[in-house]
Formats: sequence, structure tokens, C-alpha cells
Amino acid sequence: EDQVTQSPEALRLQEGESSSLNCSYTVSGLRGLFWYRQDPGKGPEFLFTLYSAGEEKEKERLKATLTKKESFLHITAPKPEDSATYLCAVIPSQGGSEKLVFGKGTKLTVNP
Amino acid sequence: EPEVTQTPSHQVTQMGQEVILRCVPISNHLYFYWYRQILGQKVEFLVSFYNNEISEKSEIFDDQFSVERPDGSNFTLKIRSTKLEDSAMYFCASSERTREKLFFGSGTQLSVL
Repeated sequence: EDQVTQSPEALRLQEGESSSLNCSYTVSGLRGLFWYRQDPGKGPEFLFTLYSAGEEKEKERLKATLTKKESFLHITAPKPEDSATYLCAVIPSQGGSEKLVFGKGTKLTVNP
Repeated sequence: EPEVTQTPSHQVTQMGQEVILRCVPISNHLYFYWYRQILGQKVEFLVSFYNNEISEKSEIFDDQFSVERPDGSNFTLKIRSTKLEDSAMYFCASSERTREKLFFGSGTQLSVL
């Protein structure tokens, strides 16, 4: 069964304190890995798509990387407005499915 | 920036009643989806829709669920006879092409009493 596991479940940082969120996946082939940000009571907001091991994407204070078994979302010098739940999702390659398989997310709190 | 619009934002219904959740996807998108999120749990796939037909559905999407694109702009999810366990946040999403980023709406919080 395709699985996506995110760690830690929750993370508290001080403003400016860099860290990384982990997303490990067990899927029958990978057609794409997605990072989303979700604010309370809102829908997921797209951040990055990664398609192959070694790929990296960057946007402001966020950088996503991908290996054959996991992805990291690196947050450099975070600000309070980066507080949100960060979701990782994959599209497995088996069977031609196009559905996103989500992890439970990492709830990030950045204190001023 | 274009966005996916969902109505209503909250819906309260009695068990056994029918509900229709409505969505207006981004205008040039061709792929449409419904996902749901039970409080404290993962976002789960329900159904995908392309070229006026269901392209994929999950085990959750049983005979009580249906989707429709009644015109060129709306996309609806109908639950015929709601159960307590249908209580969740329902998200509509759309994408321009397959395997690319999905744009999600803000969701409809469905509460079944």
C-alpha cells in the first residue's frame, strides 16, 4: 500500500531558527511529489512539485529536495507568517492513478 | 490570481438528507477533483473528473456519492443520504494538466447531525 509519512508531527521554532521537515514515502514508483501549505480552515496551497531524485526547488525561505525515498522541506530563517501545516503528497506510478496520496502534515509554529 | 471557489463554506444537515456541494474551478482547467479531510486526519482523495466523466474514484466514493458538471463553470458533489461519518471538510480542486499542481478551494465544512 502506498504510504506517506511526515515528521515531526509538530515543530516549534523561534524566528530565524532554520530547520527541516521530512516526508518519507513508500510507493510503487513515483510520478511526482508535491509540497503544500495549509492554513487553518483553508485548502492546501501549492508550493513545489518534484519529479526525480536529486531535484531541488526554491521559493523565498523554502527549499524542497527529493531523494529516492524521501523529501525534505528546508526552512531558512523562518518568520511568524511561515506558521502553517505543511503537507507532502505523492502520485504513485502504479496503475495509472492520478490521485494525490497525502501525509498527515507537519504543523509548524514560528514564534517571534 | 485565479482561484477555485466553493459554496457554501459551512453546511449543517440531518443524517439521511441529501446535500450538494458546489465548486467553480479555474476557468481554463480541464481536470477536476474532490478530496475530503476528516478533522485531525489526512486529506483523502474521493474522485477525479475529466472530459465529462469520472476518471478515477476511491473506495470512499460509493453509490451515495455523485459528481456532475452541469454547465461550463460549475462542478458539484452530491451525497444522497448523508451519514454521521460523512462529516468532514470537502475540498474541490482543479488542474490544467494531469500530474501537475492542483489548485484547491477553501473547502466546505459539512456537519451531519
